[in-house]
Amino acid sequence: GEDVEQSLFLSVREGDSSVINCTYTDSSSTYLYWYKQEPGAGLQLLTYIFSNMDMKQDQRLTVLLNKKDKHLSLRIADTQTGDSAIYFCADFPGGSHNDMRFGAGTRLTVKP
Amino acid sequence: DAGITQSPRYKITETGRQVTLMCHQTWSHSYMFWYRQDLGHGLRLIYYSAAADITDKGEVPDGYVVSRSKTENFPLTLESATRSQTSVYFCASSESGEGYGYTFGSGTRLTVV
Repeated sequence: GEDVEQSLFLSVREGDSSVINCTYTDSSSTYLYWYKQEPGAGLQLLTYIFSNMDMKQDQRLTVLLNKKDKHLSLRIADTQTGDSAIYFCADFPGGSHNDMRFGAGTRLTVKP
Repeated sequence: DAGITQSPRYKITETGRQVTLMCHQTWSHSYMFWYRQDLGHGLRLIYYSAAADITDKGEVPDGYVVSRSKTENFPLTLESATRSQTSVYFCASSESGEGYGYTFGSGTRLTVV
């Protein structure tokens, strides 16, 4: 099937910017999502971007989409210790719920 | 309270036993899903439901059964648990088919011994 790939680990210092990268293979994806999972909890929708957009900004979060390279990134400005979590990228190709794919998740560790 | 609730939170069962994981949502969302989360695999879809009495297989349905007699409930049953089904199970719901993102429960950690 189609894959969503992301690196498994990222470590940054408090106050720095974090950039989490994701690649996907299905060019028909209409929406792309970023979810956050804190320890012992379910996934929470952080933000999403529609496929006809290049960038979306929401406070400290910036999502960049490069459709040509099928590359999605999430930038967190001024990263805080509370941002430590697992971040999942997901795509939603073709409008079929059966096809929504999640990456394996990137574990972000923020060091004081 | 409004939301999506999974029970139990933790479960230990023996190989070969039947076990049912419960999921209840209060929004009357049409779509509901069951995922399992395993290290290195992310989330994989087990089953989903588009409405009451409508269910369909996901990526990894073998060994699982679902039902949806009411919109708000979507139980997942492991008919004869195996050790490979040790995992964290997440239920999710979605308002529509337009990809607005899913709302997830807090998960059930199942251990099969």
